[in-house]
Amino acid sequence: EVQLVQSGSEVKKPGESLKISCKASGYSFSYYWVGWGRQMPGKGLEWIGITYPGDSDTRYSPSFEGHVTISADKAITTAYLQWNSLKASDTAIYYCARIASPVGVIRSPFDIWGQGTMVTVSS
Amino acid sequence: EIALTQSPGTLSLSPGDTATLSCRPSQSVGSKYVAWYQQKPGQAPRLLIYGASTRATGIPDRFSGSGSGTDFTLTISRLEPEDFAVYYCQQYETSPRTFGQGTKVEIK
Repeated sequence: EVQLVQSGSEVKKPGESLKISCKASGYSFSYYWVGWGRQMPGKGLEWIGITYPGDSDTRYSPSFEGHVTISADKAITTAYLQWNSLKASDTAIYYCARIASPVGVIRSPFDIWGQGTMVTVSS
Repeated sequence: EIALTQSPGTLSLSPGDTATLSCRPSQSVGSKYVAWYQQKPGQAPRLLIYGASTRATGIPDRFSGSGSGTDFTLTISRLEPEDFAVYYCQQYETSPRTFGQGTKVEIK
């Protein structure tokens, strides 16, 4: 079964760092782009960025570039989203998702989603 | 950045009704590059439609998509109780990939 399993909920203080994970199984991880999205409380979906585990090519939405880092470790088929300095406004559910087409095709929808990771940033 | 405007914000319907949801990009998007997702409370989004009109695996045929350019539509025929949810459109032609703000289909 193709699936993405995300790490558990986190509660952090402003200024702290955080790295959440997305473990892939059931498919060739290196050959599919994996992306991250944000959903703030009661709001819609926002696209953060994507990474291609095969060569570490990574693209960011301008709204998030510089504030988060997306990476992947193909040896353990896991993608990551990290922050060096969290803000209260980072409080949200974060989803990882696979881009549907293999072999580096980027213009394809998200077909498999992780269950989401709730990140709460509060002093 | 391409903005997607979905309407209406909320649709109040009864089981058995037909839901018609609109998605209008701020500039033309190739029909191959529009998707629709369903999200239920406490769940991750689920891909329904891609390429504007192709149903994803396992999606019932009461869901259909159409449109081109700056006008796309998701139609849900014969609403079932499990169809009451929030629906998002997305364009994946240009970066950043953008989502609409969502349409909530609620039970009347």
